[in-house]
Amino acid sequence: EAGVAQSPRYKIIEKRQSVAFWCNPISGHATLYWYQQILGQGPKLLIQFQNNGVVDDSQLPKDRFSAERLKGVDSTLKIQPAKLEDSAVYLCASSPRGAYNEQFFGPGTRLTVL
Amino acid sequence: AQRVTQPEKLLSVFKGAPVELKCNYSYSGSPELFWYVQYSRQRLQLLLRHISRESIKGFTADLNKGETSFHLKKPFAQEEDSAMYYCALWVMKTSYDKVIFGPGTSLSVIP
Repeated sequence: EAGVAQSPRYKIIEKRQSVAFWCNPISGHATLYWYQQILGQGPKLLIQFQNNGVVDDSQLPKDRFSAERLKGVDSTLKIQPAKLEDSAVYLCASSPRGAYNEQFFGPGTRLTVL
Repeated sequence: AQRVTQPEKLLSVFKGAPVELKCNYSYSGSPELFWYVQYSRQRLQLLLRHISRESIKGFTADLNKGETSFHLKKPFAQEEDSAMYYCALWVMKTSYDKVIFGPGTSLSVIP
């Protein structure tokens, strides 16, 4: 089966600019996750969707980050305006609905904010 | 609060030596834990999960509720085991579940 797709793979922007990331999960996976992974740290959950509804966005900096999942399939994550500390790898993952299911990760987008 | 700790950022072992990657967790519920691995230039992927009680690529992990640990072990390390390893905790919420990842341990197997 095709894996989780993400684009772009790399992005360099200046602080205060805007940026958007796109994710296409594995077909049929109900749950979609966006993680932020800062260098030297583990993935930190930013937002979790169940179908097209948000179930957890407690760690999303809502003053600058937003995300949506269109029709319960693709998702976009936006940062506006970006700060230097947003430099990180942004990972998208998806999983089937159910307990203790494996998460399938995309290749990630490496964001550098100058 | 739910938390996963991995005390070693870096771990180096010689090929053929035993390896143990430590993981401790904090969780008031019944824990279910995972190990994820990221090889160089590859995606983060599941290595094994406690609920499956399986051995993958020679790795095993035992849940010790008394010590709140889920250490990953392999009796004889191979060069291809060099990777980043993340311990993860499944947290049951009222209407959904989430996974909390530890900070990771970088394993380097020296030929």
